[in-house]
Amino acid sequence: RKEVEQDPGPFNVPEGATVAFNCTYSNSASQSFFWYRQDCRKEPKLLMSVYSSGNEDGRFTAQLNRASQYISLLIRDSKLSDSATYLCVVNLFSGSARQLTFGSGTQLTVLP
Amino acid sequence: ETGVTQTPRHLVMGMTNKKSLKCEQHLGHNAMYWYKQSAKKPLELMFVYNFKEQTENNSVPSRFSPECPNSSHLFLHLHTLQPEDSALYLCASSQETSGRVNEQYFGPGTRLTVT
Repeated sequence: RKEVEQDPGPFNVPEGATVAFNCTYSNSASQSFFWYRQDCRKEPKLLMSVYSSGNEDGRFTAQLNRASQYISLLIRDSKLSDSATYLCVVNLFSGSARQLTFGSGTQLTVLP
Repeated sequence: ETGVTQTPRHLVMGMTNKKSLKCEQHLGHNAMYWYKQSAKKPLELMFVYNFKEQTENNSVPSRFSPECPNSSHLFLHLHTLQPEDSALYLCASSQETSGRVNEQYFGPGTRLTVT
């Protein structure tokens, strides 16, 4: 099992659609979770942290399910500018506090 | 954005060359990182520095040599690279606190091609 696993996609959705991505992680001791977005040939940029109680930032909602060891990202009312690769990021080793592990990413294309 | 800067942005080098990548963070963070991103692969952590001390070296070949002279600057010295080392090299920084891993902020990267 991969340490951080994502569906690579691609997800092709029309503008205005709602789309959801899931990500599973292998280490139940993980404590920190993030979603990043990466545009083509650019650096990853933090989209949002994921908190135990779930959190929302505008059209984006992140959820954490510790029992099943997965996190999710929901995007409502998709915009063309949401087209990017979405990276699931997890701190896998509680004893190595500075190490984040990145998933391979889920590619999203929002179509006009 | 100027939080984390990297130079050069693009680099083409032969296998016998020596070059250095530079990273500078203006965020007052205490930890800095080098990552490698090859095509179709996830980011791979190479080195971690915390308060200028190297704390992680993820089995990186010795042809990659990091240097962290202070908490704002990070270098990656390259020598006798191989074509498979061609990739995007990303620098990141974060503010580390006890008990929690915090978000990292990335520079724009150096796209390296080894010929």
